[in-house]
Amino acid sequence: NAGVMQNPRHLVRRRGQEARLRCSPMKGHSHVYWYRQLPEEGLKFMVYLQKENIIDESGMPKERFSAEFPKEGPSILRIQQVVRGDSAAYFCASSPNMDGSSYEQYFGPGTRLTVT
Amino acid sequence: AQKVTQAQTEISVVEKEDVTLDCVYETRDTTYYLFWYKQPPSGELVFLIRRNSFDEQNEISGRYSWNFQKSTSSFNFTITASQVVDSAVYFCALGFYNQGGKLIFGQGTELSVKP
Repeated sequence: NAGVMQNPRHLVRRRGQEARLRCSPMKGHSHVYWYRQLPEEGLKFMVYLQKENIIDESGMPKERFSAEFPKEGPSILRIQQVVRGDSAAYFCASSPNMDGSSYEQYFGPGTRLTVT
Repeated sequence: AQKVTQAQTEISVVEKEDVTLDCVYETRDTTYYLFWYKQPPSGELVFLIRRNSFDEQNEISGRYSWNFQKSTSSFNFTITASQVVDSAVYFCALGFYNQGGKLIFGQGTELSVKP
């Protein structure tokens, strides 16, 4: 049973470019969460999605960031016009989350974004 | 306010020592969940434990044990007879009932176990 998959594992972008981070949840999980870990900090919640729906985006920066989880395919976190401050590790987690509560969230290996 | 505080930024011990990682949380919710995750140098996050607020029984899993004290809003993690492979950053996290499942993480405690 494959775990949560994220790709790429490392991504280098120049300032102003776009970054696309992909996340495939564990089999049978229909809930996806994105977190950001800045250097020397803990993880900060960004967004929670179910298939074709954004449920909670309270942690997403208002501009340049967007997320989707289409009916088919992986969840995508998109960062437009990246800046150096976007350099961080971005983790995706999935859970079965049957009742809206915090179930075990299984994390992917993360994508380390470096903006030069 | 909903918050998790891990006051110990870094801890260094010698192999075979016992070590306790502290976690203090704040929430007004009566139903909530507490988690511990391990982040080894390779960077992935490994789930260790989930407890709900109604279950204050301490838990032991091999060399790991957890002490949940609702009266002091603490959920401390003890590693007995530490090993070099325990070296990692450990995160405590708080989750909620009916809030969609997002987790609030502490800043993490970096544990270094020296041979």
